[in-house]
Amino acid sequence: GESVGLHLPTLSVQEGDNSIINCAYSNSASDYFIWYKQESGKGPQFIIDIRSNMDKRQGQRVTVLLNKTVKHLSLQIAATQPGDSAVYFCAENLHSGYSTLTFGKGTMLLVSP
Amino acid sequence: EAGVAQSPRYKIIEKRQSVAFWCNPISGHATLYWYQQILGQGPKLLIQFQNNGVVDDSQLPKDRFSAERLKGVDSTLKIQPAKLEDSAVYLCASTPLGGRLNEQFFGPGTRLTVL
Repeated sequence: GESVGLHLPTLSVQEGDNSIINCAYSNSASDYFIWYKQESGKGPQFIIDIRSNMDKRQGQRVTVLLNKTVKHLSLQIAATQPGDSAVYFCAENLHSGYSTLTFGKGTMLLVSP
Repeated sequence: EAGVAQSPRYKIIEKRQSVAFWCNPISGHATLYWYQQILGQGPKLLIQFQNNGVVDDSQLPKDRFSAERLKGVDSTLKIQPAKLEDSAVYLCASTPLGGRLNEQFFGPGTRLTVL
């Protein structure tokens, strides 16, 4: 289930389940979004991106959905594996013409074997 | 291809002391970023360089933080004097010139603890 811990919301799933991680972004003018995975002791790693002219994009085992009406992003991970355990961040590009990102607060995904 | 290198990986200092972090971006990457990541939060951009010029330092606390990239390659981020609230992981990232945001590669970070 999903719970709010001391620092991060946490999603706990069983191996093989599908996971859905949600993110609310702040600026309706944002036109580009990225999902990152961050493992303990490492920097964020790119997973998948989506532009604001799309509402869905699929990668390998991952799908990103964008709902601009409610400023909401979700990351779906199919057949979740223990190696997917990490903190997941969404990031938005607020400044067109500047290559800068604003990150959300993150969700910890815990996958049990 | 080697990734973004950062050192040291860990640093513990007392408040009011000074500290410096070093970043070596991916070879040939023109754009370099420093982020601050406080425990439980997403990274926050402190400063962005393109070659040796500053593109964006609007969120850098300039009274105590400074950064330089004199030759357009390596970069140093300094805090002087440090405060307790500076305890965080400091991440460096780089992209190629004209690179897209999805080509931004992060280093492992330097974990700073201020006592």
